[in-house]
This record gives sequence, C-alpha cells and structure tokens, in this order.
Amino acid sequence: EVQVVESGGGLVQPGGSLRLSCAVSGFTFRKYAMNWVRQAPGKGLEWVASVTGSGDITYYADSVRGRFTISRDNSKNTLYLQMNSLRAEDTAVYYCAAGVAVVPLQHWGQGTLVTVSS
Amino acid sequence: EVVLTQSPGTLSLSPGERATLSCRASQSVSDIYLSWYQKKPGQAPRLLIYGASNRATGVPGRFSGSGSGTDFTLTITRLEPEDFAVYYCLQYGSSSYTFGQGTKLEIK
Repeated sequence: EVQVVESGGGLVQPGGSLRLSCAVSGFTFRKYAMNWVRQAPGKGLEWVASVTGSGDITYYADSVRGRFTISRDNSKNTLYLQMNSLRAEDTAVYYCAAGVAVVPLQHWGQGTLVTVSS
Repeated sequence: EVVLTQSPGTLSLSPGERATLSCRASQSVSDIYLSWYQKKPGQAPRLLIYGASNRATGVPGRFSGSGSGTDFTLTITRLEPEDFAVYYCLQYGSSSYTFGQGTKLEIK
C-alpha cells in the first residue's frame, strides 16, 4: 500500500524558517520524481518545487526560488522542503506528491498546514 | 510559460447529468503531459487522467479525457454524488508544472 505522509507544518512568524518532511512507503522511492504542491486558503493548487529521483536536479516556482530548497534522502525514503524568509503569502497546505515522467503527481499525501503570521 | 485556462469557473449540474470541463492552453502542449485532478475539501488531490486520455488506476469509467494541442476536455458521464468537487488540469513542461485555476462542479 502506498503511503505518503507529510509533517513539519505549523505557525511561524514572517521572515522565519520551517522544514517540511515527507515520508513515503509502498513504492520504489528513488524511481520517482518528488514534488511539493501547495494550496493557499480559498485558492487553487500551485506547484512549488520538484526534484529528480537521484536528487541531482531541482526545479522551483518563481514565487519560491531563492527562499525554498527541495531535497531528498533516498536511504530514508524521505523528501524535504526547507523554507526560509517566509511570507504571509506562503500560508498554505503543503502537499508532497510523487510521479514519473508520463504520470506526474500520481501519489499524494494528506498535506501539512503552514501558517505564516505574527 | 504556458498558462492553462479552465472553463467554466463553476458548473451546476444534477446527479445523473453529463459534465464537460474545458482546459485551454496558451500555447500547444504535448498531450503526454496533460493531466486532470479531483480535489475535495480536506482531502489530497486525486489523479484522474494522465496523458490527456488515460484513466489512472481505480478511476471509474464514467471519467474520460480527450483533446490535443491547446484544447483539452474532461467528461464525466452520469454524475454521481461523490463527483461534486473541484477539478484541475495540469501541464508539465521541461522544468515546471502549471495548474489551471480549477472548475468547481457543484450540485444544482
């Protein structure tokens, strides 16, 4: 059974930092590209960042480039998102999603809420 | 950057009716990288269709996808109560993903 479980969300002040984690099981982690997608309150889905299966190539949305860092540890079947210089507009539920080339964002977690507020 | 525009913004239908949702791209996209997702409040998004027309594992046959180039369609025949949700199309480029803004399918 595929399981994708995010953790690490919470309340943080503007300018602060937070690290999200995503633990997966039930599929061969290293064969999947991994992604973070977020949904702000009352808004649609927004892709945030991606990392290839080997972890050597990363991609970012313009809205987070330079502030967020995506990484993975294939020995632990875990994905990370280091978020720095957080802003109020980063407030959202953050989802971890796994996919392959022609089946993107196939397996999803239930999300973790990040609230940026003073 | 490709922009995906979904229409209508909201679709009001009754169970048993047919739903047709549109996703239009600002430039031609490969149908290999066009997907559809269902999103319900408090739940994770669910992959419905990938490669424009391929149903994901476990997706009922009443869901189908079609289209190519800049115009793509998600069709749901004979709506069930559990189908009322927000639907998103997704395009995958060489280094990024782009979602449409979503179509809310609500009960009439």
